[in-house]
Amino acid sequence: GNSVTQMEGPVTLSEEAFLTINCTYTATGYPSLFWYVQYPGEGLQLLLKATKADDKGSNKGFEATYRKETTSFHLEKGSVQVSDSAVYFCALSGDSSYKLIFGSGTRLLVRP
Amino acid sequence: DTAVSQTPKYLVTQMGNDKSIKCEQNLGHDTMYWYKQDSKKFLKIMFSYNNKELIINETVPNRFSPKSPDKAHLNLHINSLELGDSAVYFCASSQGPNNYGYTFGSGTRLTVV
Repeated sequence: GNSVTQMEGPVTLSEEAFLTINCTYTATGYPSLFWYVQYPGEGLQLLLKATKADDKGSNKGFEATYRKETTSFHLEKGSVQVSDSAVYFCALSGDSSYKLIFGSGTRLLVRP
Repeated sequence: DTAVSQTPKYLVTQMGNDKSIKCEQNLGHDTMYWYKQDSKKFLKIMFSYNNKELIINETVPNRFSPKSPDKAHLNLHINSLELGDSAVYFCASSQGPNNYGYTFGSGTRLTVV
């Protein structure tokens, strides 16, 4: 079945450092891929998405490129801020599927 | 206006009790969901309704029963609560399948003592 694997956290960075959170997936067909962010005590917010191979999703300085050849959707940001501290979830939705399958989440802690 | 709202935000109750969590969305979406997030932050889908019809029903104890009186509301009723039911329950909605993504509520933290 479809699945998502994320790198384990926590990831601890200093402010202005470069961020990469790895995400790989297993799916049949052509899934859509998403990154969600969960700030402490809040629900999940859609950060970015990509619906076909080679698409790049971007928002608030975060980017991720849908790589079908490596079945990956790694999240990157060039310069993180303390306010980016949160849990980040990679997710996929299969062909014509209502179900969103989440990775296990990666906690990011950014220190001043 | 809150897009997806859940009540209550916190719920502390004793084992064996019956409780309900309510969810409403004002986005005009056709599909609503319940997810459970455990203490390790792992998210697992429980149920989904599309236009009041149940379309996803994962392996969940039958003590959990969703109800959708209309497409803007999806409630979750839990009978005979157990310690293992303690978690954060998230409601979400989407316009359709696959590439739309979800809008989530802020969650209900259920603690069973």
